[in-house]
Amino acid sequence: GENVEQHPSTLSVQEGDSAVIKCTYSDSASNYFPWYKQELGKRPQLIIDIRSNVGEKKDQRIAVTLNKTAKHFSLHITETQPEDSAVYFCAARSVYNQGGKLIFGQGTELSVKP
Amino acid sequence: ETGVTQTPRHLVMGMTNKKSLKCEQHLGHNAMYWYKQSAKKPLELMFVYSLEERVENNSVPSRFSPECPNSSHLFLHLHTLQPEDSALYLCASSQGRTRIRSGNTIYFGEGSWLTVV
Repeated sequence: GENVEQHPSTLSVQEGDSAVIKCTYSDSASNYFPWYKQELGKRPQLIIDIRSNVGEKKDQRIAVTLNKTAKHFSLHITETQPEDSAVYFCAARSVYNQGGKLIFGQGTELSVKP
Repeated sequence: ETGVTQTPRHLVMGMTNKKSLKCEQHLGHNAMYWYKQSAKKPLELMFVYSLEERVENNSVPSRFSPECPNSSHLFLHLHTLQPEDSALYLCASSQGRTRIRSGNTIYFGEGSWLTVV
């Protein structure tokens, strides 16, 4: 079945450093890959997404890369700030997926130390 | 404010109680979802409704019963739950896929924190 693996489970960086979170997916028919940020006690919120016809997408300090051959995609956060501290989830959706459901990774708890 | 509203935000119930979680979306979407989020676990998909029809049920115990009366409302009826069912229950919506077009991303509600005692 569909599966998404996410690493690392926890990540601690110094303010100003970069953070990278990696995900792999099992279903080669997956064509949509969003990333969500969930702050403590709040709902997951979409921060960036990428579709399978694009290899990289950037939005200010956040970028996502996709390698379809290897079936993995990554989130890159540059110049990290304390407010970037949260749990980040990757997700994938198959092109054959009726109803549009997302399969989520296990989450990465990012801690940015001032 | 994402346009997806969940009530109640917090619920404490006994194992013999019957309660319901409610979700309403104001985004004009045609697909709605229930996800369960337990501590130290990933988001687990429970139910998917597309065009008010249940399209997926991920082997969820029958003590959880979903209801989707229209494309804007989704309920999760709870009956004889167990303490291990305590979790954050997240409702979400999207412009779901059709066989022709790609769907858009999922937007979550704030969640309902459920504690079973």
